[in-house]
Amino acid sequence: GAVVSQHPSRVICKSGTSVKIECRSLDFQATTMFWYRQFPKQSLMLMATSNEGSKATYEQGVEKDKFLINHASLTLSTLTVTSAHPEDSSFYICSANRRQGSETQYFGPGTRLLVL
Amino acid sequence: AQKVTQAQTEISVVEKEDVTLDCVYETRDTTYYLFWYKQPPSGELVFLIRRNSFDEQNEISGRYSWNFQKSTSSFNFTITASQVVDSAVYFCALSEVGGSYIPTFGRGTSLIVHP
Repeated sequence: GAVVSQHPSRVICKSGTSVKIECRSLDFQATTMFWYRQFPKQSLMLMATSNEGSKATYEQGVEKDKFLINHASLTLSTLTVTSAHPEDSSFYICSANRRQGSETQYFGPGTRLLVL
Repeated sequence: AQKVTQAQTEISVVEKEDVTLDCVYETRDTTYYLFWYKQPPSGELVFLIRRNSFDEQNEISGRYSWNFQKSTSSFNFTITASQVVDSAVYFCALSEVGGSYIPTFGRGTSLIVHP
């Protein structure tokens, strides 16, 4: 069964608003979670690594102030797209390892964001 | 740096045909893992298989089989007797010890199976 959940599954918002996406590990604690972005017909691109209790590590080219990540507990990481614009419309996917250092990531079902 | 190449952008077959999806990778690590994921239209990534660099045994799971060849840095995926439900985008991915096991994904191959 699913081990990582995401909420919401899809969201439509107006340009300029902020959107929060939640990622939860369901039956394990995840000190590290990962956020990916996928444009239509493209591959997954890692945006940032979310670390429980500390700052997230962002990949080159990803704006920290635009994509706020908070990993306040061992089972929850949130991604907030601030002042969203149409170009932020994408499929956002989170993942987590069942145990630290594990080689297999489990992916959430993804969140489709459409910014009008 | 690690890299995954899926040269086939889109493959179209008729039901019951066999189809092979190619994956070629590059890595400098001796310890690494290779994965295949299926992404149906719903978007959720479905884990299919993981193979570590020390295990070159081919694997078969029902209609799915995987051919791992270190000599050619390839990890190909074959679907036998394809079905319409196999239509999806398939991603090959590589993770390395040196990269903290964060996977690098190929561009994906879109498989369309026609009835």
